[in-house]
Amino acid sequence: DTAVSQTPKYLVTQMGNDKSIKCEQNLGHDTMYWYKQDSKKFLKIMFSYNNKELIINETVPNRFSPKSPDKAHLNLHINSLELGDSAVYFCASSQETVQETQYFGPGTRLLVL
Amino acid sequence: KQEVTQIPAALSVPEGENLVLNCSFTDSAIYNLQWFRQDPGKGLTSLLLIQSSQREQTSGRLNASLDKSSGRSTLYIAASQPGDSATYLCAVSPPTDKLIFGTGTRLQVFP
Repeated sequence: DTAVSQTPKYLVTQMGNDKSIKCEQNLGHDTMYWYKQDSKKFLKIMFSYNNKELIINETVPNRFSPKSPDKAHLNLHINSLELGDSAVYFCASSQETVQETQYFGPGTRLLVL
Repeated sequence: KQEVTQIPAALSVPEGENLVLNCSFTDSAIYNLQWFRQDPGKGLTSLLLIQSSQREQTSGRLNASLDKSSGRSTLYIAASQPGDSATYLCAVSPPTDKLIFGTGTRLQVFP
């Protein structure tokens, strides 16, 4: 019954490693998003995909590469992890564009040591 | 550049009180405004979405109003309960097709 799911829930890794976070939605939505919530709890959009096409890229370092194999999945790959990448990453989806209600996943807590 | 601010940053009230959370935004050119709830260690749950042409939306004990011209929205919670304790976030959708979030109000309702 989970609408938007993310794996893993927790991720602890060393600086310099490469890691991926997966997101899946079973709502039949066309648009998916990645957000980053920093230590001060400020939530900011990173990417948005509509029907597997990138529509928003918020000046995120190119170490972050989203990949959408199909409409229901939007994965986030991060190369050469840095200490500042430690945050909670949320995936979300909406029916069409941001004008619709967004449904969020439970978040992935990333800690870079 | 759109900026969204929420006041107060934190609020602690006894159970049963009616309370108001405030959200202000600098650019009135928005499509809609959404209120979310975030529980500790959890994702966000959408509470209410107000289209730019609407003045308010209601869901149960929650009522959200929107005054686009003045760049303000309020979330009114009636008869607060301990289960309402969470962080409340407002977010606006500008024409650039993304959500811009506020700083959040951390609410604690004690018995």
